[in-house]
Amino acid sequence: DAKTTQPNSMESNEEEPVHLPCNHSTISGTDYIHWYRQLPSQGPEYVIHGLTSNVNNRMASLAIAEDRKSSTLILHRATLRDAAVYYCIPLVVSGGSNYKLTFGKGTLLTVNP
Amino acid sequence: AAGVIQSPRHLIKEKRETATLKCYPIPRHDTVYWYQQGPGQDPQFLISFYEKMQSDKGSIPDRFSAQQFSDYHSELNMSSLELGDSALYFCASSQRGLDKNIQYFGAGTRLSVL
Repeated sequence: DAKTTQPNSMESNEEEPVHLPCNHSTISGTDYIHWYRQLPSQGPEYVIHGLTSNVNNRMASLAIAEDRKSSTLILHRATLRDAAVYYCIPLVVSGGSNYKLTFGKGTLLTVNP
Repeated sequence: AAGVIQSPRHLIKEKRETATLKCYPIPRHDTVYWYQQGPGQDPQFLISFYEKMQSDKGSIPDRFSAQQFSDYHSELNMSSLELGDSALYFCASSQRGLDKNIQYFGAGTRLSVL
């Protein structure tokens, strides 16, 4: 499985943009980069995914480096509800096309009012 | 929209007892995953099923077994419970090939072994 490195924690103020980095230098060419987050006392929640191009959805943007060895999740305007642990997960397709998620340590995002 | 339903939400058991956790996936989802999250830890993959067949296996103890039924719901059976089994157990479901297999998680079952 591809290894990921994320900051243990980050802090932001409400209404400000947040850039959450992830290094995944051992990612294979066919692995998608998925981001999930886990709010306190809840199950993980899908945020966004991408392969090579930058991606946008209603929750966030994903900027993927040209060499695919790193990516950045961008929350354009952080809200208190965005306080969570954010996980960057290369999605490994093993034999039989299985898609288990391998959670690393993640980044604990604190949003200040 | 319908979400993944897990039951029970909380479960308290004694050591050496058995426990059964249930998961009802989102309608038309064909794949179910089970994850375990110990206190202060990150979720760890246990096992998954695709179309009622086991599709992948992680660090699941031999004391645990699981299956997916004809209606696609899944059950995780845990026997000879140990104190270390106390954790949050999440079920997730996905539809193979849809949106690169995004997984939707339930709210979890909190198992406490005393």
